[in-house]
Amino acid sequence: GIQVEQSPPDLILQEGANSTLRCNFSDSVNNLQWFHQNPWGQLINLFYIPSGTKQNGRLSATTVATERYSLLYISSSQTTDSGVYFCAVVRGGANSKLTFGKGITLSVRP
Amino acid sequence: EPEVTQTPSHQVTQMGQEVILRCVPISNHLYFYWYRQILGQKVEFLVSFYNNEISEKSEIFDDQFSVERPDGSNFTLKIRSTKLEDSAMYFCASLENTIVDEQFFGPGTRLTVL
Repeated sequence: GIQVEQSPPDLILQEGANSTLRCNFSDSVNNLQWFHQNPWGQLINLFYIPSGTKQNGRLSATTVATERYSLLYISSSQTTDSGVYFCAVVRGGANSKLTFGKGITLSVRP
Repeated sequence: EPEVTQTPSHQVTQMGQEVILRCVPISNHLYFYWYRQILGQKVEFLVSFYNNEISEKSEIFDDQFSVERPDGSNFTLKIRSTKLEDSAMYFCASLENTIVDEQFFGPGTRLTVL
């Protein structure tokens, strides 16, 4: 099956710093989503981004499907950004399963 | 904004007992999913469901598991005889259609098997 690799596995930032989280995938995909898992375990949708660039406030994401990677940018990080960030992809039909990476644990210190 | 809901938020059960996890997908969505996440690990696919039948299932989804859409709003996951290794967070997700195939997740049910 498709492999999804995220890097770095852990990231520690000072509040106000910027960061880039990376997701590589081993094959072509139909869909890519980024999630934030908060301390209560909830998965929050950040971006649906099979290709191109999107921005939502301090967060933005870019997927270069031909080169099989996606990047999530966090600017001016806040302590509430802490948690685990997952990239997940769909390979196959549009209603197929999401395959998740192992996640990136972000800690933002005040 | 419409959202996926799940009940209960936390369930504790004894090994060998049956549990039913409940989900209410977003009302106009047509595709439904269960995923699970063992503590500290990545989220894994269990099963997908469309038009009242299973579309796809993983090797985790063995005979101990079943899914059902008993009415027009609920989507359930049943584990017949729970094992210690079934302890995990279980997420329900739904998808509206295949044109914009973004899956939306519920808040999860944390299952603890003792």
